Amino acid sequence: KQEVTQIPAALSVPEGENLVLNCSFTDSAIYNLQWFRQDPGKGLTSLLLIQSSQREQTSGRLNASLDKSSGRSTLYIAASQPGDSATYLCAVRGSGTYKYIFGTGTRLKVLA
Amino acid sequence: DGGITQSPKYLFRKEGQNVTLSCEQNLNHDAMYWYRQDPGQGLRLIYYSQIVNDFQKGDIAEGYSVSREKKESFPLTVTSAQKNPTAFYLCASSTQDRGTIYEQYFGPGTRLTVT
Repeated sequence: KQEVTQIPAALSVPEGENLVLNCSFTDSAIYNLQWFRQDPGKGLTSLLLIQSSQREQTSGRLNASLDKSSGRSTLYIAASQPGDSATYLCAVRGSGTYKYIFGTGTRLKVLA
Repeated sequence: DGGITQSPKYLFRKEGQNVTLSCEQNLNHDAMYWYRQDPGQGLRLIYYSQIVNDFQKGDIAEGYSVSREKKESFPLTVTSAQKNPTAFYLCASSTQDRGTIYEQYFGPGTRLTVT
C-alpha cells in the first residue's frame, strides 16, 4: 500500500532563503507526482506535476525533482518571500490506478 | 473562466441530518473526486468517478453517498451514518484521456460543521 510522507511538518525561514521541501513515497510504481500549495481555509492550487519518466520540472522560482528509485521528490523554492507562506502537499498517482495518495503536508512560514 | 465550484463555502447542520455538498466543473474532465481533510492529516479519498453513471468507493466511503448523472456535477451526501462529519471537504477533477498528464484540479472547498 502506497504511503506518502512529508518532512518536516512545519518550517520557518527568513525571507530570501532558498529552501527544500521533501516528499517520500514507499511504492516506486507511480504514474506521476504533483505538488500543491494550500492557503488556510482554501482549496489546493497545483504548482508542478512530474511524470514518472521525468526527473524535474520548473516554474518560476520553483523546481521539483523526482527520483523514483529512491522514492523521493523535492520541491526547491528559491529566494523565498512572505507570500510563499502556505502548506505544501505532494500527491502520488500510482500506475494503473485513478487514485492519488497525499502526504500530510509541510506548513511553511517565511518571515519578513 | 474554467474551474471547479463548490457550494456552499460554509455549512452548519444538526446531528442526524443528511446534507448534500455541491461540486460542479466546466473543465470537461471525465474524472471527479471527493476528499476529506482533517487538521494535521492529509487528504483522504471518499469517492471517485471516472465517467458518468459510474463511481467507486475510496478509503473512507462509509457514511457518504454520491451520484454522477452529469459529466459536470458530482454531489456528495453526508448521511447521518457518518460518525464524525465535521471536516473540510474538497472536490477535484482530472482528465482521463490516454496520453494526458492527469493533472488534478481542486475546488475551493466546503467546511461542514455538525453539532
